[in-house]
Amino acid sequence: QKEVEQDPGPLSVPEGAIVSLNCTYSNSAFQYFMWYRQYSRKGPELLMYTYSSGNKEDGRFTAQVDKSSKYISLFIRDSQPSDSATYLCAMSATRNGGGADGLTFGKGTHLIIQP
Amino acid sequence: EAQVTQNPRYLITVTGKKLTVTCSQNMNHEYMSWYRQDPGLGLRQIYYSMNVEVTDKGDVPEGYKVSRKEKRNFPLILESPSPNQTSLYFCASAGTRDYNEQFFGPGTRLTVL
Repeated sequence: QKEVEQDPGPLSVPEGAIVSLNCTYSNSAFQYFMWYRQYSRKGPELLMYTYSSGNKEDGRFTAQVDKSSKYISLFIRDSQPSDSATYLCAMSATRNGGGADGLTFGKGTHLIIQP
Repeated sequence: EAQVTQNPRYLITVTGKKLTVTCSQNMNHEYMSWYRQDPGLGLRQIYYSMNVEVTDKGDVPEGYKVSRKEKRNFPLILESPSPNQTSLYFCASAGTRDYNEQFFGPGTRLTVL
């Protein structure tokens, strides 16, 4: 089963707020977890990439994976208007798979940071 | 500059008129893929290729064809487009080590009347 659930939003927050974006999944085989960011009229770009459970931090962004709960999160600190975009979670069971063994994307959350 | 390019970026056509959307990458990537993105449905994979002359169906392959004759190019062919193929199309590529780290093109907005 490939289903990944993600609230589509829109999620609107004031500049400077902490943003929490989340996805849940049902396939316990998933081990690789990603967040892609997509600006309007652009292709998605990889933002964060984690393996298995735990946290990963990169500047203002923190990715968190809880495999026991099948739940992943992306936190954005000190949010900026330039963070306004659609955020897609993605996950897979392998690094080199295709098709059903490849990436499964959430539908994306539209985030708006109000100046 | 490392990139994935797609052409055309915008296309309006009529039902049944064959069209090709080109995709090219300059990163020597093995893996290439086509997705369509629709409101409420997210990104869905159409076809993918793990190497030259190797292509496989994704989740929504009906009505589409692909070919991979060269490593850098992966065109998407719609032999007889229909209005339900109106969508935003993305090509993506990934290197040998990790197909999860995909680089996306800028997208092609296709309207079939």
